Amino acid sequence: DARVTQTPRHKVTEMGQEVTMRCQPILGHNTVFWYRQTMMQGLELLAYFRNRAPLDDSGMPKDRFSAEMPDATLATLKIQPSEPRDSAVYFCASGLPGPNTGELFFGEGSRLTVL
Amino acid sequence: SQQGEEDPQALSIQEGENATMNCSYKTSINNLQWYRQNSGRGLVHLILIRSNEREKHSGRLRVTLDTSKKSSSLLITASRAADTASYFCATAQSGNTPLVFGKGTRLSVIA
Repeated sequence: DARVTQTPRHKVTEMGQEVTMRCQPILGHNTVFWYRQTMMQGLELLAYFRNRAPLDDSGMPKDRFSAEMPDATLATLKIQPSEPRDSAVYFCASGLPGPNTGELFFGEGSRLTVL
Repeated sequence: SQQGEEDPQALSIQEGENATMNCSYKTSINNLQWYRQNSGRGLVHLILIRSNEREKHSGRLRVTLDTSKKSSSLLITASRAADTASYFCATAQSGNTPLVFGKGTRLSVIA
């Protein structure tokens, strides 16, 4: 049963700490997305990759967020330093070739709370 | 920024009734998709309709697309308590852009 796996599922940290979220996309999917979900803003696209290359990260605060794909089986999203306004659920999703031609498969999310 | 906007924001119905959710969008699209999210879970794809299609069915789901009005609707027939969830529309614009999601409709089906 292929699925997108995200870790950690929950993270509580203090302001100023580094946070790293990890995602294992579905094998064979070459497009990976990071979305952030909050009550106020809904689902916001932070960054996405195709064939491990970053295509768009304009949705991310560049001074504190970074996204990478060290290999085809791992995508990471780092926040350093974290701030209370970063509290949200972060979703990773993967899809088949072509970012806008087919469905996305989402992980269960990483719920981040920054105190 | 949201491309799709769902309406209503929240909907409460009795089990067995039909639920209709609407989505409006602003620019031309390649396709429109509907997703479901149970509380505390990730989004799950329900159905995709392409810009050259007008209606699509999947089980108890019926989706329509009116590109002239830039709108879509999702109909869930004979609703069940298990259909309680948030439903999101997402649009893929023509060209090389990712899915943009609306803020969703929260559906409550009361047994």
